[in-house]
Amino acid sequence: SYELTQPLSVSVALGQTARITCGGNNIGSKNVHWYQQKPGQAPVLVIYRDSNRPSGIPERFSGSNSGNTATLTISRAQAGDEADYSCQVWDSSTGVFGTGTKVTVL
Amino acid sequence: EVQLVQSGAEVKKPGESLKISCKGSGYRFTSYWIDWVRQMPGKGLEWMGIIYPGDSDTRYSPSFQGQVSISADKSISTAYLQWSSLKASDTAMYYCARRETLGGPSDIWGQGTMVTVSS
Repeated sequence: SYELTQPLSVSVALGQTARITCGGNNIGSKNVHWYQQKPGQAPVLVIYRDSNRPSGIPERFSGSNSGNTATLTISRAQAGDEADYSCQVWDSSTGVFGTGTKVTVL
Repeated sequence: EVQLVQSGAEVKKPGESLKISCKGSGYRFTSYWIDWVRQMPGKGLEWMGIIYPGDSDTRYSPSFQGQVSISADKSISTAYLQWSSLKASDTAMYYCARRETLGGPSDIWGQGTMVTVSS
C-alpha cells in the first residue's frame, strides 16, 4: 500500500518560514492536499491539488509538489498557525494520509 | 451554509453494535462523496472509506474492509458508519468529510463523533 512520510515535528520562530514535507514514491504524479488540525477541532483544508488555496486561507500558506516530495510552506508564521498538518493523496481507489507533523511556533 | 453534522458521542461495551451518522445540508448531498476518517487518541488521521450517496458506490481502505460498513440514505441526506461488534481498539474520534471527486480534496468536515469502547 502507498505510504506518505512526514516529519514528526517542525519548529519555527515567529515571523519566519516553516516547511513541512510529505514524502511518497513518485508523489509528484499525484494531487496532494494539506489539512490543518488544531487541538479539539476537525481538520481544515489549507491547500488542495498541490498548490491551490481555498477561500479564506491566508496567502502565507503555499504548496509545491515534485518528484518524491510535496511541501507545505507557511511564511511569516503566526502563533495561530501552531497545529498538526497532514498531507493526503488518492492512490488505487484509496485515500491515504501522511503521518502528520506538529508545527510549533516559538 | 454548507455543513456536515455528526451524531453525538457514544460509550459502548466490547461486542456491541453501533451506527453513527453524518447529515449533510446546504448542498446537493447526492453529488458529493462522503469520506469517513478515524483518529485514535493522540494519533494521526486514517482514511477508512468513502461512499457516493447518489448511487451508493462504496470503497474501503484495505485496513478497514470487513471491519466496518458504510452506507447512506439519500432521502434524508445522511451517511452512516457502522460496526457489528465493537472492540476496545475502535475507541477513537470519527470524522466524516465531503469531496466532489475521487482524488479531489475533502473541503467540508463534520465536527467528529467520539466513540469510546470500554468494559
